[in-house]
Amino acid sequence: AQKITQTQPGMFVQEKEAVTLDCTYDTSDPSYGLFWYKQPSSGEMIFLIYQGSYDQQNATEGRYSLNFQKARKSANLVISASQLGDSAMYFCAMRGLLLYNQGGKLIFGQGTELSVKP
Amino acid sequence: DTAVSQTPKYLVTQMGNDKSIKCEQNLGHDTMYWYKQDSKKFLKIMFSYNNKELIINETVPNRFSPKSPDKAHLNLHINSLELGDSAVYFCASSQEGLAGGPGQETQYFGPGTRLLVL
Repeated sequence: AQKITQTQPGMFVQEKEAVTLDCTYDTSDPSYGLFWYKQPSSGEMIFLIYQGSYDQQNATEGRYSLNFQKARKSANLVISASQLGDSAMYFCAMRGLLLYNQGGKLIFGQGTELSVKP
Repeated sequence: DTAVSQTPKYLVTQMGNDKSIKCEQNLGHDTMYWYKQDSKKFLKIMFSYNNKELIINETVPNRFSPKSPDKAHLNLHINSLELGDSAVYFCASSQEGLAGGPGQETQYFGPGTRLLVL
């Protein structure tokens, strides 16, 4: 069975500093995808970044990068130069990459509440 | 243009009532999902549909009945609402089976429907 673990319920970071949000996963699928979503206080789920299990390089999207360590089964999100608008709940998620492998469902972690201090 | 939309955004109703939530996506995706987010912010898959075919029914009570009239729409009907159904319900969509490219099969979420059962 697939499982995602986020061990940091809450984190604080000073504005303009970098922060790392931890995510570890467990799966027996040979091919899978790892995702990070942001949920601000307004409630919507915003897709941030994707990492495929077969990708050789770590994914980057603007100020977001994913520190993917396959052997350790970790997929940490790094946010550089934090901004006040980064304050939100962040979810790590994974899924198999074949629709008929568990129907493409996303398995989510418990989330990390990030607060950016001015 | 809103990619994935849900109506209504808020739903307050009495126990025992029947209600529906509608979801539409204009991304041209062929797969749609319903997720439930509980009061502790935990997100869990309920259903997924691919080309109007039910792929996942994740041990959801049969009071919940999804209906997909076409690829762009996935509605959720809930009979005999209970207090424990109070949650945020998210619709999402993805395009399955794409060949190559980073971020394929990424799921994009609607704004959520906040259901409160009194």
